[in-house]
Amino acid sequence: EAGVVQSPRYKIIEKKQPVAFWCNPISGHNTLYWYRQNLGQGPELLIRYENEEAVDDSQLPKDRFSAERLKGVDSTLKIQPAELGDSAVYLCASSSPGQLLNTEAFFGQGTRLTVV
Amino acid sequence: RKEVEQDPGPFNVPEGATVAFNCTYSNSASQSFFWYRQDCRKEPKLLMSVYSSGNEDGRFTAQLNRASQYISLLIRDSKLSDSATYLCVVRPSGTYKYIFGTGTRLKVLA
Repeated sequence: EAGVVQSPRYKIIEKKQPVAFWCNPISGHNTLYWYRQNLGQGPELLIRYENEEAVDDSQLPKDRFSAERLKGVDSTLKIQPAELGDSAVYLCASSSPGQLLNTEAFFGQGTRLTVV
Repeated sequence: RKEVEQDPGPFNVPEGATVAFNCTYSNSASQSFFWYRQDCRKEPKLLMSVYSSGNEDGRFTAQLNRASQYISLLIRDSKLSDSATYLCVVRPSGTYKYIFGTGTRLKVLA
């Protein structure tokens, strides 16, 4: 079974340019997450979707970041315009609510963004 | 105060040593607890869930202390391949939000 797929793996852009990341979660997983991970830090949640609804976007910098999950499957995360401080790894994860207390989140390999 | 706190390390230990990491969390309503492992330039992967009564998986033992709001991970007989960052993860009750600590770096030395 395929895991969480993200693209691109790496992206280098100049500041003030736009950038977009794509994520395809594990089939059947209703919950999708976008995390940002800075060097030496743990992942920090940007936005969480339940199906196509964004249920937690309190940490998403809405002046420049946007996300969508049309049809409740794939998702895209966009930054426009990018700033130097946006350089980080952007991780997508998915989970299946189910009834299990200890349902885990599965992560994609991430997109490493460098803003120059 | 961060919701989930860990000592970032690094912990440098010789092969065969026993090492323990602690993690504290601030939300007493937290329901589910996990340890994830993250290798350099890789994505986090689940190492083990942490159950209320404590649980063991081979050389790894996880404990939960709800009264003091901390979880621990014990690694026995460390291997070179255990070198990684270990992330403490907490999920509050009623949500599917996973909150990560900063991670603890472990380096097992030959």
